[in-house]
Amino acid sequence: EVQLVESGGGLVQPGGSLRLSCAASGFTFSIYWMTWIRQAPGKGLEWVANINPDEIKRDYVDSVKGRFTISRDNAKNLVYLQMNSLRDEDTAVYYCARAGHYNFDLWGQGTRVTVSS
Amino acid sequence: QSVLTQPPSVSGAPGQRVTISCTGVSSNIGSLYDVHWYQQLPGTAPKLLIYSNNIRPSGVPDRFSASKSGASASLAISGLQAEDEADYYCQSYDSNFSGVFGTGTKVTVL
Repeated sequence: EVQLVESGGGLVQPGGSLRLSCAASGFTFSIYWMTWIRQAPGKGLEWVANINPDEIKRDYVDSVKGRFTISRDNAKNLVYLQMNSLRDEDTAVYYCARAGHYNFDLWGQGTRVTVSS
Repeated sequence: QSVLTQPPSVSGAPGQRVTISCTGVSSNIGSLYDVHWYQQLPGTAPKLLIYSNNIRPSGVPDRFSASKSGASASLAISGLQAEDEADYYCQSYDSNFSGVFGTGTKVTVL
């Protein structure tokens, strides 16, 4: 089955760190760009970061630059989002998505991150 | 990064036609980047509904259609059904190669 499954979310204090993982299956992971997208409670979608197949190109939304790092392991079909210096405004459901031709054609179910003291 | 502008909500009776606008600027929709649309049913992850301005993935009913003109795009739902009640988002890319989403539109079936 073609799917993405996120994990690693949870409750963390402001200033803390979390690493999200996304496991891909059912398709040739190593040829696709991968993306993280988030949705704050009751809000819309926000593109967070993407990474190309060989990890050479990575892009981030301005609000997470210097704090978040996207990476991948093509041998294990995994993509990660390392989140440091977390802020209240990072509270959201984080979705992993496969990037097609400048769109996101496959989404995971999401993992919830809550930043609160 | 910029955001694409959508109306917060639209509504219609079953069987009616509704449209959702998506307005960008010259650095995103107004440039060479296509527009894509997503449907998010309550409590679920978004699903790709329309890609490359007007193409429906396999399995998406033909009552969904979309178009792009200049720095704007629109999604139309014809023959509105109860199961179409959801949030809808447009999406494109910016010239700095960052993804950009619309503000989202809640469709209510009266």
